[in-house]
Amino acid sequence: DIQMIQSPSSLSASVGDSVTITCQASQDIRQFLNWFQQKPGNAPQLLTYGASNLGPGVSSRFSGSGSGTDFTLTISRLQPEDTATYFCLQYDNLPYTFGQGTKLEIK
Amino acid sequence: QVQLVQSGGEVKKPGASVKLSCKASGYTFSKNAVHWLRQAPGHGLEWLGWINPRTGNTTYSQKFKGRVTITRDTSATTAYMELSSLTSEDTAVYYCARGAGDGVPLWASWGQGSLVTVSS
Repeated sequence: DIQMIQSPSSLSASVGDSVTITCQASQDIRQFLNWFQQKPGNAPQLLTYGASNLGPGVSSRFSGSGSGTDFTLTISRLQPEDTATYFCLQYDNLPYTFGQGTKLEIK
Repeated sequence: QVQLVQSGGEVKKPGASVKLSCKASGYTFSKNAVHWLRQAPGHGLEWLGWINPRTGNTTYSQKFKGRVTITRDTSATTAYMELSSLTSEDTAVYYCARGAGDGVPLWASWGQGSLVTVSS
């Protein structure tokens, strides 16, 4: 199975800041990577797909980039509602596998 | 609007099976894959498999092969996931999610989740 190493596991930032979360795949996954946001008690929400395409209805403050083994999710102009856990997902190979998540706290 | 409504939570004993449902509405059921995932308490997400509602073809994670069965009832626009030989490790919230027609996990729509608790 492809391992997805996500970092950091948690971070804290202030309203208006920008943050970057990374995912590294254990092998080349081309651009088959999605990012999700999950708030406590809720199902995940798709943020980006195919590494860099914005999901439907998602704020342009979220952006994804990368290919091969290294990927990033950048959240700009942080808002209080961005408090959540963020996951990456690779879908180049079965089984689809996830990063362990990054918990973002807005100070 | 697209909606996926899952069945309620279940409490099962070790060794039992559980069957969850995922009722789809707001789109043509046969045109999109339905995936099943789970999230154990305090853990990340895990993908179980998916079904093509038009053909009934399924693809499963090797980890769950032999224990998981995904089916569908097109007249009821409902997908089902049955997991057998349950252990405490299967305690989790189970989600269904709508994928693209070819199975690509463009999971923009999710069910609300069904908590399965396995306990003696």
